[in-house]
Amino acid sequence: SAVISQKPSRDICQRGTSLTIQCQVDSQVTMMFWYRQQPGQSLTLIATANQGSEATYESGFVIDKFPISRPNLTFSTLTVSNMSPEDSSIYLCSVLLHTDTQYFGPGTRLTVL
Amino acid sequence: GNSVTQMEGPVTLSEEAFLTINCTYTATGYPSLFWYVQYPGEGLQLLLKATKADDKGSNKGFEATYRKETTSFHLEKGSVQVSDSAVYFCALSGYSGAGSYQLTFGKGTKLSVIP
Repeated sequence: SAVISQKPSRDICQRGTSLTIQCQVDSQVTMMFWYRQQPGQSLTLIATANQGSEATYESGFVIDKFPISRPNLTFSTLTVSNMSPEDSSIYLCSVLLHTDTQYFGPGTRLTVL
Repeated sequence: GNSVTQMEGPVTLSEEAFLTINCTYTATGYPSLFWYVQYPGEGLQLLLKATKADDKGSNKGFEATYRKETTSFHLEKGSVQVSDSAVYFCALSGYSGAGSYQLTFGKGTKLSVIP
């Protein structure tokens, strides 16, 4: 498996502001992912973070709202821009190992007032 | 496309009871199957996996068998403990028709175990 950390673990933000979430993994990985988990719901994939190229976004998610960086094979950031209360969720990063298995970070719990 | 259907919760059991959480899937090709667990206030942890038909994944007393003929991957545990209280997600991984890798989740089943 892999050791994955996220910062911050939780935050409370005002509407209209932006928050950048960091994801760090203890080994080099090709594929990293960002998910959103709304309260009481399952996980929804936001985007795949590609090293050296732009992220690949899923339907319903756009780069202007969720810009992603992937400067190297162990680190990625997700920014939630111009936040509204509807963005209150848990944001999780994950990495792909063994060609088919994803391991998840502890999540960032975001509350937007 | 790929999809996962798991039993609706919440499920409430007494300690030492037998647990089954049903999971069925629809997928093209030969997906790998997973159970993840999310304890209160935490991220997702991989509980077990199976990569081909008739494989049995097991961990911490939990088991699930990859049944291709019934497209199922039911989670079982013979004797649950209070510490098993969590949300359990069934998932499959595979490649879409466009060649992109995907992990598809069920909606999750919340388990509460009471002393």
